[in-house]
Amino acid sequence: AQSVTQLGSHVSVSEGALVLLRCNYSSSVPPYLFWYVQYPNQGLQLLLKYTTGATLVKGINGFEAEFKKSETSFHLTKPSAHMSDAAEYFCAVSFQGAQKLVFGQGTRLTINP
Amino acid sequence: GAVVSQHPSWVICKSGTSVKIECRSLDFQATTMFWYRQFPKQSLMLMATSNEGSKATYEQGVEKDKFLINHASLTLSTLTVTSAHPEDSSFYICSARPLGRTDTQYFGPGTRLTVL
Repeated sequence: AQSVTQLGSHVSVSEGALVLLRCNYSSSVPPYLFWYVQYPNQGLQLLLKYTTGATLVKGINGFEAEFKKSETSFHLTKPSAHMSDAAEYFCAVSFQGAQKLVFGQGTRLTINP
Repeated sequence: GAVVSQHPSWVICKSGTSVKIECRSLDFQATTMFWYRQFPKQSLMLMATSNEGSKATYEQGVEKDKFLINHASLTLSTLTVTSAHPEDSSFYICSARPLGRTDTQYFGPGTRLTVL
């Protein structure tokens, strides 16, 4: 069965520091991988996605993620955190031809001034 | 582009009443829409997949008669919570997949349901 694991339910970094949110998946077929951000009482906004091609994917708001097949990972990074990055982040996976998105547990990112 | 709306954004109802939530794709057509439920500080759980013109496909453990889904057009899906009870209180989020796309879903802003 396909699954997604986000390591760390809560990550706290200082403003200007590197942001690293971890995501690992299990799948027997090549997946599509996504990162979404959710602000309080709002829906999800797509940050970036990987389907095929270049394994380093750049998204909005300065975020990027790298698909590493050998590690079954899709970690999200941002070189310099901003206060506005404080939110809940979800990693998700779907599979070619499949309908469903499977979400990780979410990681709450807190930015310290 | 690619905007999905939900109405209402929040609703409070009495136990035993029914509540309808609308999900609309405003600037694209969607043959498939999805309904999720999110409890506080938790992840999204897929409730059902809604296909235009056909019956919804429900996830295991989701009561079909409790959560009625209608996808009457390529831009509108509705979720009706029937005979709502306090345990149905939650944040309900829909998403829509554009026609012809398999790699993208656009999410609505969510509807917070509180059942008294």
